[in-house]
This record gives sequence, C-alpha cells and structure tokens, in this order.
Amino acid sequence: GNSVTQMEGPVTLSEEAFLTINCTYTATGYPSLFWYVQYPGEGLQLLLKATKADDKGSNKGFEATYRKETTSFHLEKGSVQVSDSAVYFCALSLSNFGNEKLTFGTGTRLTIIP
Amino acid sequence: GAGVSQTPSNKVTEKGKYVELRCDPISGHTALYWYRQSLGQGPEFLIYFQGTGAADDSGLPNDRFFAVRPEGSVSTLKIQRTERGDSAVYLCASSLTGQGGYEQYFGPGTRLTVT
Repeated sequence: GNSVTQMEGPVTLSEEAFLTINCTYTATGYPSLFWYVQYPGEGLQLLLKATKADDKGSNKGFEATYRKETTSFHLEKGSVQVSDSAVYFCALSLSNFGNEKLTFGTGTRLTIIP
Repeated sequence: GAGVSQTPSNKVTEKGKYVELRCDPISGHTALYWYRQSLGQGPEFLIYFQGTGAADDSGLPNDRFFAVRPEGSVSTLKIQRTERGDSAVYLCASSLTGQGGYEQYFGPGTRLTVT
C-alpha cells in the first residue's frame, strides 16, 4: 500500500541552524507530495507541495524537491527561526485533481531555541 | 473569509454512547474529508465526499462509524457504541477539485475522549 516514512523526532535546533527533515514514500503510480505544518494551538496548514518528479516546492524559506529515483521529499531550510517551532507532516496523494485522500507520515516535532 | 469549522471542539463521552461530530466546510468547496489523528501520529483518512455522495469510505474502521453530507455542504460524522480506542482528534478538511489539484484546508478538529 501507500505509505510515508518520516524522520523520527523530536528535533531541537538553535536559531539560524540548517534544518533537514527526511521523508521517503512508497506509492503506486506517481503521487503528489506535500509538507503540512501544525503550529501550536492551530490547525494543519499546507506548507508546500510538488506534483511531479524534480519539481521543487518552496514557501517561507522552506524547500523540498520531489526525487523519484530515491522516493524522497526531504524538507530543508537554511536558517530556522523560533517561529518555525511546530510539528511537520509529510504526505502524499495519488491524484493531481484534489479528489484523493492524503496519506500522512507520523510527524516530526521541531523546536527552535533562541 | 471563514475557514473550515468543526463543532464541538471537545467532546467527552462514556463508553457505549453515541456521538455526532459536525463539520462546516469552506463555502463552495465540493470535496470534504474526514481524518482521525491519534496522539503522536499523523492524520489517518476516514472518508471522502464529493458533493453529497461518499466517493471513498475505505478508511472507516468498522460499521460503528458513519458519515453523511445530505446537502453537499455540512457533514456529520456519527460514531455508535463508542469505545475507548475511538479517543482521538477528528479532523475535517475541504477543497475544490479539478485539474492541477487543490489544497485541502483543515479545520481545528474535535477532540473526542471516551471514558
């Protein structure tokens, strides 16, 4: 079946450090890939997405590249801030039409210390 | 504009009771999803509606769970004979559909505790 495996957390970094959160997937066909973020006390929101191989999604200084050869979609940010503290979820969908469920990883809790 | 809303925000019920959880999607969104998130886990898909019909209910864990969306807008997730294992945050999301794909917008969730 389809699945997403995320780097285990929690992750604690100092402000301005480089961030990588690993995500790999297993899927039939060619999925769309997503990173969702859940800030403390808030609902899940889309951070970035990529819908085909070699696409790079980016938002708020975060980037992730869809790598079909390694079935990966690692999340990176060059210089994290305290406000990036949140839980990050990698997810996939088998449709590019918005008419298909999301399959999520278990989430990675990120804490940034000043 | 208004986002996805869910009521109640918290629900505590006794084992064996019946509960209903409500979701109000973003106006005009044709697709509506229910997910369940247990502590320390990612959301797990339960059911997806396109308009009034359930297009995919493969995630419903058993026949105690049922969901409706009679007018293609508000949806209700119904759980009969609740069990302690049903305790989780129930999330609703809505989206447009069409070529190019559309973002799923999530509500704040209903935290269900079965005692």
